Amino acid sequence: DAGVIQSPRHEVTEMGQEVTLRCKPISGHDYLFWYRQTMMRGLELLIYFNNNVPIDDSGMPEDRFSAKMPNASFSTLKIQPSEPRDSAVYFCASSGRGGNQPQHFGDGTRLSIL
Amino acid sequence: DQQVKQNSPSLSVQEGRISILNCDYTNSMFDYFLWYKKYPAEGPTFLISISSIKDKNEDGRFTVFLNKSAKHLSLHIVPSQPGDSAVYFCAASAGGGSNYKLTFGKGTLLTVNP
Repeated sequence: DAGVIQSPRHEVTEMGQEVTLRCKPISGHDYLFWYRQTMMRGLELLIYFNNNVPIDDSGMPEDRFSAKMPNASFSTLKIQPSEPRDSAVYFCASSGRGGNQPQHFGDGTRLSIL
Repeated sequence: DQQVKQNSPSLSVQEGRISILNCDYTNSMFDYFLWYKKYPAEGPTFLISISSIKDKNEDGRFTVFLNKSAKHLSLHIVPSQPGDSAVYFCAASAGGGSNYKLTFGKGTLLTVNP
């Protein structure tokens, strides 16, 4: 079975540019999560969706960040405009229905904003 | 304010010996705990979990112990193998059965020496 697929794996761009990160969850999973990992703050939940609907976006750092899930097999995390402090590894994860289903992570997108 | 703390950034053990990874938490509302393992350039992989109604859960070489009064949990790996060398993250949620919003510790790098 294919796991969670994220693209691109690496992204280097200049400050002020728009960045779009993409995620394809595991087929049949109802929940999708976006995380950010930095040295200072570790792994933080940004937002999660249930059945394509955003449930909790309290971890989204600023209005520059937005996430969408137009259908069950695709989600995007967008940063506009990007800033150097947004440099981090961004992970997408998905899980099945049921409160104690483990979250399955993609391999992440390493984002560098110059 | 770090609600989940892994105070040892790194741990080194000999192959065949026991590895003990520790995690402390401050939020008394946490009722579900998980351990994830992460290799470089990959996403975290679920390892084992425990509900607050239990004090021990075992899965093969991996055992998680929970001490609610001390707000402490530990992961035991016996016997340790070189392939266990990875970063281990402790995570917790206060979902009351809907454990979607995970709070992660910053991780402990385990090195198992042949």
